[in-house]
Amino acid sequence: GAGVSQSPRYKVAKRGQDVALRCDPISGHVSLFWYQQALGQGPEFLTYFQNEAQLDKSGLPSDRFFAERPEGSVSTLKIQRTQQEDSAVYLCASSLLGGPSTDTQYFGPGTRLTVL
Amino acid sequence: GENVEQHPSTLSVQEGDSAVIKCTYSDSASNYFPWYKQELGKRPQLIIDIRSNVGEKKDQRIAVTLNKTAKHFSLHITETQPEDSAVYFCAATSSGFQKLVFGTGTRLLVSP
Repeated sequence: GAGVSQSPRYKVAKRGQDVALRCDPISGHVSLFWYQQALGQGPEFLTYFQNEAQLDKSGLPSDRFFAERPEGSVSTLKIQRTQQEDSAVYLCASSLLGGPSTDTQYFGPGTRLTVL
Repeated sequence: GENVEQHPSTLSVQEGDSAVIKCTYSDSASNYFPWYKQELGKRPQLIIDIRSNVGEKKDQRIAVTLNKTAKHFSLHITETQPEDSAVYFCAATSSGFQKLVFGTGTRLLVSP
């Protein structure tokens, strides 16, 4: 079946612009995660949704970052007033289960954001 | 919070040799430990995972061991092939927290 998809795959923004990154999880997956991966580093957690509820946003680096998943499927990560330090690959992952169970996370291909 | 350390950062082996990558974690409540392979420009892909109720898991040429007492786990790849060349990430998480905490990655190069 279809895996996790993300769009756009590449985004170039001028400093100060707002950007919106989209994630389409695997159909039926309850949990959705956003991670940020800087060049040469491991992914770092940003935020987690169980259905439409954002249960953990402890990794969002500033109030310029906002994520939503209004209908419990597609999610959007929005970054306002982008800065050069926001340049990274933004990865989305989904897993079938929610609640206390820890389930396999399947990753999308990522969106590479470059802020000039 | 959880902290995961991974080493070595780079590993070069000859085709057919074995490769071992080691990770340590800090949170004794962690109970799920996946390993991901990431090729350049591609998505991380799960290659094997282990839960805290077992000490070892094997899948063909890949195995993972877990020592809960020492809080470390390792990835073993036998009979390496050039297509095993990639960056490998370990991660840890615990029930109720869901998020994965990743190590810094190991770049594995398998030379023919």
